[in-house]
Amino acid sequence: GNSVTQMEGPVTLSEEAFLTINCTYTATGYPSLFWYVQYPGEGLQLLLKATKADDKGSNKGFEATYRKETTSFHLEKGSVQVSDSAVYFCALSEPNAGKSTFGDGTTLTVKP
Amino acid sequence: NAGVTQTPKFQVLKTGQSMTLQCAQDMNHEYMSWYRQDPGMGLRLIHYSVGAGITDQGEVPNGYNVSRSTTEDFPLRLLSAAPSQTSVYFCASSRRMTGQETQYFGPGTRLLVL
Repeated sequence: GNSVTQMEGPVTLSEEAFLTINCTYTATGYPSLFWYVQYPGEGLQLLLKATKADDKGSNKGFEATYRKETTSFHLEKGSVQVSDSAVYFCALSEPNAGKSTFGDGTTLTVKP
Repeated sequence: NAGVTQTPKFQVLKTGQSMTLQCAQDMNHEYMSWYRQDPGMGLRLIHYSVGAGITDQGEVPNGYNVSRSTTEDFPLRLLSAAPSQTSVYFCASSRRMTGQETQYFGPGTRLLVL
């Protein structure tokens, strides 16, 4: 079956530091890949996505590239802010499956 | 559009009680899902539906029941609550279109079973 593995957290960074959160996946088909973000007390919301190999998703300074050869979708940001503190989830969804598979989430704390 | 709405926001139950968590979406999405979120365990799929009248089990279906009589609504029923069902429950919906599988989440229901 499908699975998503995220780097273990939590991650604590100083403001303006570089962020990488690793994500690798196992899938039987050709899934779309996602990063979702969850702020305290809220539901998950889409941060970025990529639907095919070599696509790069980007939003709010975050980027991730769909690497089929390494089955990875690592999240990066060049300069984090305190407001980026949240839990980040990597996920995949197969076409027409009606459901998604999520990683365990990585908690990011950014200190001023 | 309200998006995905969930009620109640918070509920306390006693062991053995039953209840229904409500979920509704106004985006005309074909797919709807229920997840539970526990510390350190990410989101685990309970049940999902690919359309009205069609439901299927996810990873952790035991103790839960669902039905989907309309496109908009997807209630989750706890048949006999147990302390192990203490969790935060999220409902999500998405479109049935390749490349558009983004899940839209509700705000969650926090459930405490004593």
